[in-house]
Amino acid sequence: QVQLQESGPRLVKPSETLSLTCTVSGGSISRGAYSWTWIRQTPEKGLEWIGYIHYSGSSYYNPSLRSRVTMSVDTSKNQFSLKLTSVTAADTAVYYCASAPTMTTNYYYMDVWGKGTTVTVSS
Amino acid sequence: QSVLTQPPSVSAAPGQKVTISCSGSSSNIGNNYVSWYQHLSGTAPKVLIFDNDRRPSGIPDRFSASKSGTSATLVITGLQTGDEADYFCGAWDSGLSAVYVFGAGTKVTVL
Repeated sequence: QVQLQESGPRLVKPSETLSLTCTVSGGSISRGAYSWTWIRQTPEKGLEWIGYIHYSGSSYYNPSLRSRVTMSVDTSKNQFSLKLTSVTAADTAVYYCASAPTMTTNYYYMDVWGKGTTVTVSS
Repeated sequence: QSVLTQPPSVSAAPGQKVTISCSGSSSNIGNNYVSWYQHLSGTAPKVLIFDNDRRPSGIPDRFSASKSGTSATLVITGLQTGDEADYFCGAWDSGLSAVYVFGAGTKVTVL
């Protein structure tokens, strides 16, 4: 059974870059049609889908965050990562990584989630 | 606010049934498949339903779902105390800004 674990700094200063890594265990990140996603949750906005990346490097980001988001994959470490630049207090959230067994958008869903990590943006 | 609309809370006694609605539009639920997630506090969210009405292996048949037009419904029968959690619906939105969208979540309370 695949498991996902988020890691990274819990506190980020305003205007700096938030960086998180998700480690995949129990399965290969290079699995066929699987895409690897990031989602965040805040009390104000609820769950917000950030985007996905495929092990090939193909990616798609939420248009509302696209200018600030970069995702990457490290197949040698079975990890994928999120970078969010120029953060503000509005980026304070619980960040989840998850796997999606498809990149076909109308069938899209997340089948395995990490437990989430809280990231606070504050000076 | 969330693109998909869910009731904030529902409740019922153990053994009873709860129904959670998820209302959207033609750009999301109307033309794409719906999934449902359970989130118990402090744990990883879990998919209960995908492709509108399919359960992953290991999900009991007490959880069922359906879709009609631009709305979807999750039904939990034989309610158990362990079912007390937040439940979210989700679907791809194929509108101008294509993105996966979620409902705000429904808190299920077992009385």
